[in-house]
Amino acid sequence: DAGVIQSPRHEVTEMGQEVTLRCKPISGHDYLFWYRQTMMRGLELLIYFNNNVPIDDSGMPEDRFSAKMPNASFSTLKIQPSEPRDSAVYFCASSPQPYNEQFFGPGTRLTVL
Amino acid sequence: AQTVTQSQPEMSVQEAETVTLSCTYDTSESDYYLFWYKQPPSRQMILVIRQEAYKQQNATENRFSVNFQKAAKSFSLKISDSQLGDAAMYFCASSGGGADGLTFGKGTHLIIQP
Repeated sequence: DAGVIQSPRHEVTEMGQEVTLRCKPISGHDYLFWYRQTMMRGLELLIYFNNNVPIDDSGMPEDRFSAKMPNASFSTLKIQPSEPRDSAVYFCASSPQPYNEQFFGPGTRLTVL
Repeated sequence: AQTVTQSQPEMSVQEAETVTLSCTYDTSESDYYLFWYKQPPSRQMILVIRQEAYKQQNATENRFSVNFQKAAKSFSLKISDSQLGDAAMYFCASSGGGADGLTFGKGTHLIIQP
């Protein structure tokens, strides 16, 4: 298996623009997670899905952030409008079971100017 | 809610020596899992080792082992025979008790001196 795939790897955008990050989980994994990594706050869980259904979005910082999982092989994290403080590395991870090892994608480094 | 604390922002060790990274956690749950992840400069998150809280035996993976002290809520990682490729950020994490996502510590930057 190719592992968790994220695109793009790098994204540079202007403040106020819409940003869409994409993730393809490992086939057969029922759980999908979005994390954000910053120097100040470290790694924090934003939202996760089980069988394409959002279970916990309490980590989503603001209404500007939204996530969807239209099918078992694709998820998006959207920021609209983007702000400089959204600059971070965004990771997608998937897992076959709850509480178990999560397999991480390579991350998307987002820079908002 | 779970919390994970790594009190060592940076550690340095000579190649071939042994180093121990500290981690403490706080949870009210009885069923949970603990993990150590490695993040090299490539930023890829790689699982190093996993421990189920209900297991008393400490997990071991080749040169990596943990010292799991459940009562003290301590979960340290020991790296034996350190290699240059071990240089990375190491994150301690926990999950469980209805929280399927991982709660991470702030990380320890491990430097390997040749």
